[in-house]
Amino acid sequence: QVQLQQSGPGLVKPSQTLSLSCVISGDSVSSTSVIWNWIRQSPSRGLEWLGRIYYRSTWHNNYARSVEGRITINPDTSKNQFSLQLHSVTPDDTAVYYCVRDVHGTYNSYDYWGQGTLVTVAS
Amino acid sequence: DVVVTQSPLSLSVPLGQPASISCRSSQSLLYHDGNTYLTWYHQRPGQSPRRLISQVSNRDSGVPDRFSGSGSDTDFTLKITSVEAEDVGVYYCLQGSHWPPIFGGGTKLEIK
Repeated sequence: QVQLQQSGPGLVKPSQTLSLSCVISGDSVSSTSVIWNWIRQSPSRGLEWLGRIYYRSTWHNNYARSVEGRITINPDTSKNQFSLQLHSVTPDDTAVYYCVRDVHGTYNSYDYWGQGTLVTVAS
Repeated sequence: DVVVTQSPLSLSVPLGQPASISCRSSQSLLYHDGNTYLTWYHQRPGQSPRRLISQVSNRDSGVPDRFSGSGSDTDFTLKITSVEAEDVGVYYCLQGSHWPPIFGGGTKLEIK
């Protein structure tokens, strides 16, 4: 059974960096058959896909246009986890953030979700 | 980007009665491999979304058979044959055939 356990601060000041981690159990961040994603949810934006990372001999990333240039998703193979960094945040980045798994070949059909982390951007 | 529109925004259904939710896409979701990547999720208050159905009509393990998905091209439907109390919450569709993946705005189901 795959489990995704998120951690990170719930309050970030404007202009600073939002950082979240997602520890994976029951699967591997380096698996070549899955893709690891970050999705957020807010009343104004609904559910919004932010970005993903996957390993196919080398690491690959894709990011949403809405956050490209401010987002970084990295793997940590020693801890079997992946992380999200969102730089230069504004109150508009306030949302519940989820780490999510996608199986290769299912084309963005997310089967396992983390518990969600409410991140508030405020001074 | 593809636009995904759900309707209605909310519905109130008596226990034991059927419910139907529509999901429409601005472009055909038929992928060049012949599959259609349309997924349905259910989210209870305070919980993460749970996948119910993938590729239009494939129920996930453990999902009751009162849930069914149908449709093709740009028009899709999630049906509940007999609503139970545990079905309350918000239902979302997700298109994965076009980049980037886009969720519908959600349909809130409550018990009348």
